[in-house]
Amino acid sequence: AQSVTQPDIHITVSEGASLELRCNYSYGATPYLFWYVQSPGQGLQLLLKYFSGDTLVQGIKGFEAEFKRSQSSFNLRKPSVHWSDAAEYFCAVVLNDYKLSFGAGTTVTVRA
Amino acid sequence: GAVVSQHPSRVICKSGTSVKIECRSLDFQATTMFWYRQFPKQSLMLMATSNEGSKATYEQGVEKDKFLINHASLTLSTLTVTSAHPEDSSFYICSAKDAGGTYEQYFGPGTRLTVT
Repeated sequence: AQSVTQPDIHITVSEGASLELRCNYSYGATPYLFWYVQSPGQGLQLLLKYFSGDTLVQGIKGFEAEFKRSQSSFNLRKPSVHWSDAAEYFCAVVLNDYKLSFGAGTTVTVRA
Repeated sequence: GAVVSQHPSRVICKSGTSVKIECRSLDFQATTMFWYRQFPKQSLMLMATSNEGSKATYEQGVEKDKFLINHASLTLSTLTVTSAHPEDSSFYICSAKDAGGTYEQYFGPGTRLTVT
């Protein structure tokens, strides 16, 4: 069963506009969640993580995410995107034995 | 802190040969490292979990005799692709979990393997 679902394969957004990437999980009563960004040919960079506590999490590069247990969601947001935000974004959840299960990813294209 | 390196970053090898990829945690000790494979425009698929001093645990469908993993020290894990074939061409990414840390994994920059 899919542990993480990212419903949007591709999102195009104008520079300066807001961005929201959806992530739904189906594992664990207390999930440990991550958002990563990957530029072409590069490794993963951690944007932010949620383990416990405040459900609104601030990350790097102006990103934030909100954990909503009732909706099993951990959506990523940025108020104003920059051209450099064009990349692939992955949501992930920790499974047993510290393994990570990744969503399929969302490609973000930023138009001028 | 928490830097993971991979070497080489790119490698091209001929079909039938073996190639070794190194994954190092530079500033922390990693009792557990993970190896992922990523096809173009796809997500990361976990191949195996590498534990220092013990045998690696492979995910279902991953051939352990083809993808040899060695985790001989707390800072180094190696993945050897044996008798490589063109279908093994992929982007291989490792990650490491800090021995004293939480659930976070630190990712290497990846290795692009091309088998001709």
